[in-house]
Parts: sequence; structure tokens; C-alpha cells
Amino acid sequence: ETGVTQTPRHLVMGMTNKKSLKCEQHLGHNAMYWYKQSAKKPLELMFVYSLEERVENNSVPSRFSPECPNSSHLFLHLHTLQPEDSALYLCASSQGQGRETQYFGPGTRLLVL
Amino acid sequence: GESVGLHLPTLSVQEGDNSIINCAYSNSASDYFIWYKQESGKGPQFIIDIRSNMDKRQGQRVTVLLNKTVKHLSLQIAATQPGDSAVYFCAENPPGTYKYIFGTGTRLKVLA
Repeated sequence: ETGVTQTPRHLVMGMTNKKSLKCEQHLGHNAMYWYKQSAKKPLELMFVYSLEERVENNSVPSRFSPECPNSSHLFLHLHTLQPEDSALYLCASSQGQGRETQYFGPGTRLLVL
Repeated sequence: GESVGLHLPTLSVQEGDNSIINCAYSNSASDYFIWYKQESGKGPQFIIDIRSNMDKRQGQRVTVLLNKTVKHLSLQIAATQPGDSAVYFCAENPPGTYKYIFGTGTRLKVLA
């Protein structure tokens, strides 16, 4: 285990639903990340939080809304998603925001119907 | 745009043999590189890293080689085991940013 947990592990939702993904890190890290992993595509960085402040929004549609209430928890709120949003959503954390190794959680496999 | 790519999408290796996974990167200014391993149903797991002031770095059964002249990175796994079966990503980190640019991955299959 990497010390980064994600729930749920699997999620099926309709396009009109609202759901949230949760990430928790037990490593004492200060930076947390959301990535999207689609089949046959490289990891896509979505959001970056450092010390609970968002420092990066990588041109992500507004139907994805992140929340970082403290340095150990990160949420991704989902609403009115599209089928093309189906993917594996990975959370990661690192000690700092700089040249630090990022540790990944197991991901949430999302299917949008 | 800048990208990190892998030459072989799938690599099959006999158990006990050595594996070599290759990666090409496009940003000549990148000065930090990481290899990740992703097993089925899991997130990417850090394997080994290397900075651009090094040509080679060894870990436990793994070696990363960096050739800056041709912008090439490779991961060598010695005595490949069934547990090594996974998708392997390389990632580059240009200077002045915390962002990593990931490749699409190579699937390593270990044959018994």
C-alpha cells in the first residue's frame, strides 16, 4: 500500500447524477493531485492542491469540482458528466509541490452511462 | 507539443530473462525522470528515478539508463518474475515545474 486511499473503487453514474470521489493520504504530505487515466492515453493532470490551496486547474471542465478541506483529504465532485468522462481517476500526493515523488492511490474506475 | 512515448506497447519476456523497456522523451531540458509500475487494478507505483546529471542508476533488480544525447530512457529488469507483469510508465519533469509528462505505457507480460 502506498498510503493513499481512494473511495469508491468503482462507480457507475448517469449523466444527471451527482457523485463525489474521495482521496485520503496518510503520509503527511502537503500536495495532492487528481489525474485522469483513459485507455491508451497518458495520465492527464487535472488539479493540484498545495497546502489546501488550488495551484493548478488544467483546463478541466466545470462539471468536475475539486475540494481540499485539509492536507490529508481531497475530493472530486462530479455532476452532469458525459460518457467520455468514463475513466480511471487517480489521486496522488507528494511531500511538497516541487521535484517530489508522487504517490498514487488505487484509483476510482468511473463509468458514465 | 511535448510528449513522452514508448517504443513498444507490449513486451513479452520469459521468466528469468532480463527485460528492457524503452522510452523516448522530447523535451531536451527535462532533467528528472521517473519510472512507474502499474499493476492491474492498482495505481502507478514508483520504481526508480534518475536525474539528468547521471547516466545510470541501479535499484533492486532494476536499472535505469539515461541517454541525453538521443533523449532516451530505459528500464532494465533483471531476472524477470511473474510479479513484474504490469504496465510501465516513464515520466519526464522539465525544470521549473512540478508537472510530470507521462508516456502511454508499455505492458510487460512474463511468460512462465
